[in-house]
Amino acid sequence: GAVVSQHPSWVICKSGTSVKIECRSLDFQATTMFWYRQFPKQSLMLMATSNEGSKATYEQGVEKDKFLINHASLTLSTLTVTSAHPEDSSFYICSVTPNVNYNEQFFGPGTRLTVL
Amino acid sequence: RKEVEQDPGPFNVPEGATVAFNCTYSNSASQSFFWYRQDCRKEPKLLMSVYSSGNEDGRFTAQLNRASQYISLLIRDSKLSDSATYLCVVTHTGGGNKLTFGTGTQLKVEL
Repeated sequence: GAVVSQHPSWVICKSGTSVKIECRSLDFQATTMFWYRQFPKQSLMLMATSNEGSKATYEQGVEKDKFLINHASLTLSTLTVTSAHPEDSSFYICSVTPNVNYNEQFFGPGTRLTVL
Repeated sequence: RKEVEQDPGPFNVPEGATVAFNCTYSNSASQSFFWYRQDCRKEPKLLMSVYSSGNEDGRFTAQLNRASQYISLLIRDSKLSDSATYLCVVTHTGGGNKLTFGTGTQLKVEL
């Protein structure tokens, strides 16, 4: 399967700060990347679809001004949690797919965010 | 009602046991079906796709019943290393390859 990295693996920050999470596709060019969030004991919830060279598509209920997504190259997408609050504490996972019609997604190792 | 429903468990079984998990989905336009495995504090990893005819991969057998909108996973001869959370995942027509995850069923295999 594809190799996907995320950085950082975990982060602890104070309320009100912004946190940037990087997702890299290491062995193929990904026109589409997905960002998920998982709270404890809950399922992964898709937050947004990141498309290289265009605006991300956000799922209902996800604030696009709070969760800024940039997919500037075919191997890198970033998610910035702006003005983070304790309720944003979660496990953020990205996935990549070669194209939107390709079934399998390859997941990054995730980033655990804790906002104090 | 959740789009993909699973019994959260945990299922505690002895090593060597056979265990089955079920999953139901509500969207009749669902097109592709998968079982993923997620270890604690790790990312999900694809275990197997699920086909209408049913499919087997070693000790794992997956079944799909489109009429009942029901998917199953059978694990034979459970190993300690099978302990994990098993996620039922579907995509649907027009979903643009978006995956919808169930909350997962936790399996604990014990000595």
